Amino acid sequence: AQSVAQPEDQVNVAEGNPLTVKCTYSVSGNPYLFWYVQYPNRGLQFLLKYITGDNLVKGSYGFEAEFNKSQTSFHLKKPSALVSDSALYFCAVRDDNYGQNFVFGPGTRLSVLP
Amino acid sequence: DAGITQSPRHKVTETGTPVTLRCHQTENHRYMYWYRQDPGHGLRLIHYSYGVKDTDKGEVSDGYSVSRSKTEDFLLTLESATSSQTSVYFCAISESLGLGRTNTEAFFGQGTRLTVV
Repeated sequence: AQSVAQPEDQVNVAEGNPLTVKCTYSVSGNPYLFWYVQYPNRGLQFLLKYITGDNLVKGSYGFEAEFNKSQTSFHLKKPSALVSDSALYFCAVRDDNYGQNFVFGPGTRLSVLP
Repeated sequence: DAGITQSPRHKVTETGTPVTLRCHQTENHRYMYWYRQDPGHGLRLIHYSYGVKDTDKGEVSDGYSVSRSKTEDFLLTLESATSSQTSVYFCAISESLGLGRTNTEAFFGQGTRLTVV
């Protein structure tokens, strides 16, 4: 079965500093990996995805993520955090051997302090 | 934004009453999903559909049923609502995985906040 772990419930970072939100995964087939962001009282918005190819994936709003197959990780990064990046972030995996469903991690709340 | 509409957006209902939530898409995507979001649990899959009349259970399907009679509509029914079903419910859609396909992500509706009293 597939699973996703986000080891940090909360990440605090100062505005202008780099940020990292961690994600590790487990799948039986080929991993399709995603990051989503959720602002208060809103649905989830897609940020970026890894399907195949380059291990560094670039997405919306200056975010990027690094896929590491040996460590089964897909950490979300941004070189310079903004206060407006404060939100709830979810990592997800879609396994082509598991009904093509999406499994989400528990979420990491990012707070960017001015 | 992807064309996904959830209705109602908010609902308060009494314990023991049936409740139906509707998800409507205009994207003609094959897969549709119902998730619930609860603090500390992230999003948990209730049921999903991989085509008209083709549905299957997710990890938290007890007490819920679904139907998909048309590509664009996916209904979630709570047969007899309980307080433990108080939650925010999200519908999502996606295309199938397949050779060469790059459109693999899910798109989410705005959610339905359900309170069972």
